Amino acid sequence: GAVVSQHPSWVICKSGTSVKIECRSLDFQATTMFWYRQFPKQSLMLMATSNEGSKATYEQGVEKDKFLINHASLTLSTLTVTSAHPEDSSFYICSARDPSSSTDTQYFGPGTRLTVL
Amino acid sequence: AQSVSQHNHHVILSEAASLELGCNYSYGGTVNLFWYVQYPGQHLQLLLKYFSGDPLVKGIKGFEAEFIKSKFSFNLRKPSVQWSDTAEYFCAVTWDDKIIFGKGTRLHILP
Repeated sequence: GAVVSQHPSWVICKSGTSVKIECRSLDFQATTMFWYRQFPKQSLMLMATSNEGSKATYEQGVEKDKFLINHASLTLSTLTVTSAHPEDSSFYICSARDPSSSTDTQYFGPGTRLTVL
Repeated sequence: AQSVSQHNHHVILSEAASLELGCNYSYGGTVNLFWYVQYPGQHLQLLLKYFSGDPLVKGIKGFEAEFIKSKFSFNLRKPSVQWSDTAEYFCAVTWDDKIIFGKGTRLHILP
């Protein structure tokens, strides 16, 4: 099946710094990628939809200036958490839609655990 | 807006017991429905999906789910669980070109 990778898998940073998380589709080209956030014992919450070559679409309540998303190529989307604070600590998961398969089939990355000190 | 409810937050069963996890969605019309599983330390994997046709959907590892339109439900079932089924299970539904997830059910199988 299709594979999606994320890097890094775990990152610890100081409050006020920025962190970049990469999401790559390894064996298919993804025109659309999604970024989710998962709090402990809670569901995945969609943060934004990332379309290659255009601006991301953010969900209500998600600060676009804080969570910068770039989808510069068909295999790479990045999420940058700017001026991170402890409340940004969470598990961030990306997914990618394979346009060659069923319309709504998404493949998920393994996630990135962000801890902000 | 669409929402997904999973009624069981934590389920504990013994091996060989039968399993049914409930899932309801709020908005009718044409929907695509999914069950995802997240094994400990692993990423989300698709268990099964319903797009159209036979409302009884067979998935991997002996799981199945039944779409009942009149009840807005898509319950997950397995006749005999194994210890390796210990995981978190998420029901999801498409809405406005996005996937909306339920809060998940943590399943713990006792050996």
